[in-house]
Amino acid sequence: RKEVEQDPGPFNVPEGATVAFNCTYSNSASQSFFWYRQDCRKEPKLLMSVYSSGNEDGRFTAQLNRASQYISLLIRDSKLSDSATYLCVVDSSNDYKLSFGAGTTVTVRA
Amino acid sequence: DGGITQSPKYLFRKEGQNVTLSCEQNLNHDAMYWYRQDPGQGLRLIYYSQIVNDFQKGDIAEGYSVSREKKESFPLTVTSAQKNPTAFYLCASNPGQGRGSPLHFGNGTRLTVT
Repeated sequence: RKEVEQDPGPFNVPEGATVAFNCTYSNSASQSFFWYRQDCRKEPKLLMSVYSSGNEDGRFTAQLNRASQYISLLIRDSKLSDSATYLCVVDSSNDYKLSFGAGTTVTVRA
Repeated sequence: DGGITQSPKYLFRKEGQNVTLSCEQNLNHDAMYWYRQDPGQGLRLIYYSQIVNDFQKGDIAEGYSVSREKKESFPLTVTSAQKNPTAFYLCASNPGQGRGSPLHFGNGTRLTVT
């Protein structure tokens, strides 16, 4: 089983729609969780950290479900500029290594 | 502005040649990392370094080498022993002080070996 798994999508949604997707992780001892955004042929950029109680940043909401070992990202009122690949990142061991999911592609259409 | 600089952005080499990718940061971060990304796959860790003059192998270190002689610099050499070197290489850093620090990335080097 991979350490971090994501539905690759693509999720094709109209502008203004809400889109949500999950990421599952295998290590129950993981403590740090992040969502990154990656545009085509560019470096990943931190979108938000994910906290135990869930957190919001504008139109983006992240949730953590420790019992089922997944995190989620919800995007409200989608914009064309939200089109990107969203990477789930989880710390998977007691050292400093972070594991990346392969990404979920979101395409927002006009 | 602080950040991570990778150079060059694009690199072309012939099979059998070693090539070194540059990574410099002025964020005063202790930890630096090298990842490789192939199409449709997640980032895979090649090497990482928590402190100057020390580094550890990641998940796919074979065919690569690194050095960490200065805090700011963490160059990656792709040797001729690497079977499939063509990929997008990303350097990253974080403060390295315990778990929970997100990574800051450079803008990557796209290596093509023919």
